[in-house]
Amino acid sequence: EVQLVESGGGLVKPGGSLRLSCAASGFTFSSYTMIWVRQAPGKGLEWVSSISGSGAFIYYADSVKGRFIISRDNAKNSLYLQMNSLRAEDMAIYYCARDLVFGRIRGVPHSTDYWGQGTLVTVSS
Amino acid sequence: QSALTQPASVSGSPGQSITISCTGTSSDVGAYDYVSWYQQHPGKAPKLMIYDVSSRPSGVPDRFSGSKSGNTASLTISGLQAEDEADYYCTSYTTSSTLVFGGGTRLTVL
Repeated sequence: EVQLVESGGGLVKPGGSLRLSCAASGFTFSSYTMIWVRQAPGKGLEWVSSISGSGAFIYYADSVKGRFIISRDNAKNSLYLQMNSLRAEDMAIYYCARDLVFGRIRGVPHSTDYWGQGTLVTVSS
Repeated sequence: QSALTQPASVSGSPGQSITISCTGTSSDVGAYDYVSWYQQHPGKAPKLMIYDVSSRPSGVPDRFSGSKSGNTASLTISGLQAEDEADYYCTSYTTSSTLVFGGGTRLTVL
């Protein structure tokens, strides 16, 4: 059974940093592009970042470029999001999700078939 | 990249059909057949309902269908059921190699 479990959310002050993790199981993690999507309280979904299975191809939304870093450790079946210089507008539930397509080499997934339950990031002084 | 435009809310009675529109531009919806639709119940993660404009993942009822014309995509739910009440989001791949979501539509089953 495919499972994605996010962790690492919490309360952080503006300008602070936080590292989110997503533990994957039930599939060949290294064969799938993974993405992060966030949802501000009461708001819609926003794509944040994507990373290819090998880690070689990385993409960011303009809203987080230069502040967030996506990475993965295929040996540990884990996806990460290092969030720096956090702002109030970064406050959201952060979801990790798996590409629908097996073996995508590069590019941003058009669709994602499995999502974690999300982890809440609160940015407040 | 601006969000795709969806109606804030739609409603229908059990058994009826409803359609949710998703309007973008020639740089996203109109550029590729890479529109997806997600269903999200309160407090839950999104669930993929339609991908590549009109394909259904395994397990999604055929009451759910998708289409696209020009820069506007649509999700149609026929034979509306109480459990269809949820938020629905469209998303599209863009010519900038990014993903853009719609603002979401709240479906109320009367």
